[in-house]
Amino acid sequence: AQSVTQPDIHITVSEGASLELRCNYSYGATPYLFWYVQSPGQGLQLLLKYFSGDTLVQGIKGFEAEFKRSQSSFNLRKPSVHWSDAAEYFCAVGALFSGGYNKLIFGAGTRLAVHP
Amino acid sequence: NAGVTQTPKFQVLKTGQSMTLQCAQDMNHNSMYWYRQDPGMGLRLIYYSASEGTTDKGEVPNGYNVSRLNKREFSLRLESAAPSQTSVYFCASSEADRVGEKLFFGSGTQLSVL
Repeated sequence: AQSVTQPDIHITVSEGASLELRCNYSYGATPYLFWYVQSPGQGLQLLLKYFSGDTLVQGIKGFEAEFKRSQSSFNLRKPSVHWSDAAEYFCAVGALFSGGYNKLIFGAGTRLAVHP
Repeated sequence: NAGVTQTPKFQVLKTGQSMTLQCAQDMNHNSMYWYRQDPGMGLRLIYYSASEGTTDKGEVPNGYNVSRLNKREFSLRLESAAPSQTSVYFCASSEADRVGEKLFFGSGTQLSVL
């Protein structure tokens, strides 16, 4: 069965430090992979997505993610974190559900705190 | 730029009460979705509507009903609320129900069932 695992529930970094959020997926075929961000009191916003091609994907707000098929991973990175990056981050895989519809399978999320 | 609008933002219900969550999008999207978000579980799909006039069950449909009123509006109804339905509910839309489509989310409804 398809699944997404985000091993880190909470991460705290200092402003200006680098960031890497981990995501591992289980899916039988080439996956469609996404990172969404949820700021407090807001809905989710798409940061970036990967379908095929270059395994390093650039997104909004200075984020990037790298698809590694051999490790079934799609980790999110940012070289220098800003206080406004404090939010919850969700990794998701897009799949065709058994009922025939497009389904996004979300990880449980990683909550990022940024210290000044 | 309204995007996806959900009402209400907060609601407290007693067990057995009913209510309808409203969702409207102004992006002319064909597909709309209802998710629930629970701590440690990410988002799970309740119901979806691939296009106007169609609705289908998602991953966790029990206890819910939906109506795709027109292309813009997609409502979620709890007929007899239970404490297990305490959650944050998100409506989302996309241009089409294709794998890999970008979803646009509303800001959510926080529902507590006592």
